[in-house]
Amino acid sequence: EAQVTQNPRYLITVTGKKLTVTCSQNMNHEYMSWYRQDPGLGLRQIYYSMNVEVTDKGDVPEGYKVSRKEKRNFPLILESPSPNQTSLYFCASSVGTGGGYEQYFGPGTRLTVT
Amino acid sequence: KQEVTQIPAALSVPEGENLVLNCSFTDSAIYNLQWFRQDPGKGLTSLLLIQSSQREQTSGRLNASLDKSSGRSTLYIAASQPGDSATYLCAVRPWEGAQKLVFGQGTRLTINP
Repeated sequence: EAQVTQNPRYLITVTGKKLTVTCSQNMNHEYMSWYRQDPGLGLRQIYYSMNVEVTDKGDVPEGYKVSRKEKRNFPLILESPSPNQTSLYFCASSVGTGGGYEQYFGPGTRLTVT
Repeated sequence: KQEVTQIPAALSVPEGENLVLNCSFTDSAIYNLQWFRQDPGKGLTSLLLIQSSQREQTSGRLNASLDKSSGRSTLYIAASQPGDSATYLCAVRPWEGAQKLVFGQGTRLTINP
């Protein structure tokens, strides 16, 4: 089944404790992104990647890191989480021109930082 | 700067009704528009993707139309069912290769049995 997977789905952590949210897609998509969703603010892009070793900042990159060492994986790293990073996080992927850039989303990771 | 608006923010209708959800965007120069469904606390499920050269797309009871010149898209749901209750989001990809979708705030739809 074609899908984007994220782990963990739920995470409660404390301020300053480094964490990684994994994202993997099995559709051989070139493009991958991370978004966060907050009430009243909608979906905001954190980082994106156009291919292996090619990443760039989205609208709200502060406090986050990403890497793209393999085409299928795009982990999101919070080096020192803070309470304002409590949010619902989504990983997304899309194929390029041939696939019309249809965007597929993962199931989400609900992060709580205390 | 592209902005996407969805009105109303919430809609409640009886089961069986046909309904229309609206999405408007400020810049008509888009590459495509995508409709998503989101259940509470869950991920986004792609419903329909309309390329800028297309006027509409259909999937089952869903039909999405696109009028680029007026900056509008509609999602038509026929014979609504309680299982259709969810938040519906539209998103615009501004140009080919753009790496960010611009989302509307969504319409929270409730279908009453």
